[in-house]
Amino acid sequence: NAGVTQTPKFQVLKTGQSMTLQCAQDMNHEYMSWYRQDPGMGLRLIHYSVGAGITDQGEVPNGYNVSRSTTEDFPLRLLSAAPSQTSVYFCASSYGGWGSGEAFFGQGTRLTVV
Amino acid sequence: GQQLNQSPQSMFIQEGEDVSMNCTSSSIFNTWLWYKQEPGEGPVLLIALYKAGELTSNGRLTAQFGITRKDSFLNISASIPSDVGIYFCAGQREGAQKLVFGQGTRLTINP
Repeated sequence: NAGVTQTPKFQVLKTGQSMTLQCAQDMNHEYMSWYRQDPGMGLRLIHYSVGAGITDQGEVPNGYNVSRSTTEDFPLRLLSAAPSQTSVYFCASSYGGWGSGEAFFGQGTRLTVV
Repeated sequence: GQQLNQSPQSMFIQEGEDVSMNCTSSSIFNTWLWYKQEPGEGPVLLIALYKAGELTSNGRLTAQFGITRKDSFLNISASIPSDVGIYFCAGQREGAQKLVFGQGTRLTINP
């Protein structure tokens, strides 16, 4: 029962480096999304996908890219890391849309950009 | 961006006390969700509400979908040490595919 799996759990990057945060789910969920969590800010939506081949921007998309080539995977790419992207990143998935109340979250990736 | 106003931001209580927190918005929502996050983990769904006026319980937790559809409340009765964590409300507006989250309520319990 893996659910939503995020890798890595921790990452330190230098400013300007690029990297990909991985997210995979084994529940055959259509909806997947990426959030970032900063102190006092709650969870802010970066990008989301309503199915394979379909992605859209959330609230804070700048500096991030996503793709959804399969139902299972939804990687988040940082093109040129900046200190402002230091945060905890969460991937989530849901079968019937967020209103179904069945959103599952991964354990998070803690990213530090120096 | 659209955010929910969640209060209080933090609570320090004694074990055994009851807890109340709420979430408000200037927009109408058709779904309200309450999540709990423990250190080093992702949020876990506690209660989902789909209908104005709905009152739903999950053990010692009770949540309500406000009649105006612009707010929701979470109550925890007889708190215990494992209730410690950050509680988030989340809502979905009608026709929207995205969830919006409150800023969270950090609950600390003194034994």
